[in-house]
Amino acid sequence: AQTVTQSQPEMSVQEAETVTLSCTYDTSENNYYLFWYKQPPSRQMILVIRQEAYKQQNATENRFSVNFQKAAKSFSLKISDSQLGDTAMYFCAFSLNNDMRFGAGTRLTVKP
Amino acid sequence: DVKVTQSSRYLVKRTGEKVFLECVQDMDHENMFWYRQDPGLGLRLIYFSYDVKMKEKGDIPEGYSVSREKKERFSLILESASTNQTSMYLCASSLMGRGHYNEQFFGPGTRLTVL
Repeated sequence: AQTVTQSQPEMSVQEAETVTLSCTYDTSENNYYLFWYKQPPSRQMILVIRQEAYKQQNATENRFSVNFQKAAKSFSLKISDSQLGDTAMYFCAFSLNNDMRFGAGTRLTVKP
Repeated sequence: DVKVTQSSRYLVKRTGEKVFLECVQDMDHENMFWYRQDPGLGLRLIYFSYDVKMKEKGDIPEGYSVSREKKERFSLILESASTNQTSMYLCASSLMGRGHYNEQFFGPGTRLTVL
């Protein structure tokens, strides 16, 4: 079974700075999908960014980008120019054939 | 936009009560999922469904059952609530198939407390 590990339970960053959240996963499959989800305090979980494993190019969405290292099975999220609204739980997820596995989450606090 | 709604944001029940958590999605998604979210454990899959009247056990189905009588609605049932079922429950839906269809859309969650 696939597993997802987020080794940083909590992180903090100053507003306007850059922060990187780590995620590693374990799989023997070759074609799969990776996601980062954001869950703001008391609000709905939303998709931040996705990456197809067959694509070498790292995905970017405005201030959010990933560093996808397929051989190392690593999928980190970089948030540039951090904003107070980025304060949230962030979950890394691995998906294969409609089955999605989540990491334990990283609680990110952006400090003014 | 996809909308996934859950019947309650907060729920308090007594041990031994039967509890129903309802989830409705409005985008004609085939797949629906129930997770529980606990600190330090992430999201764990309880049950999922790929079609009406169809259900499959996830990783932690014990103490739960589900019902999917209509495509848009997926219910989670706690037959006899226990204190260890106090948790945040998240419903999600997705399209059937590979690729970006794997993306799941989540409801706002129901925080259940069992006393």
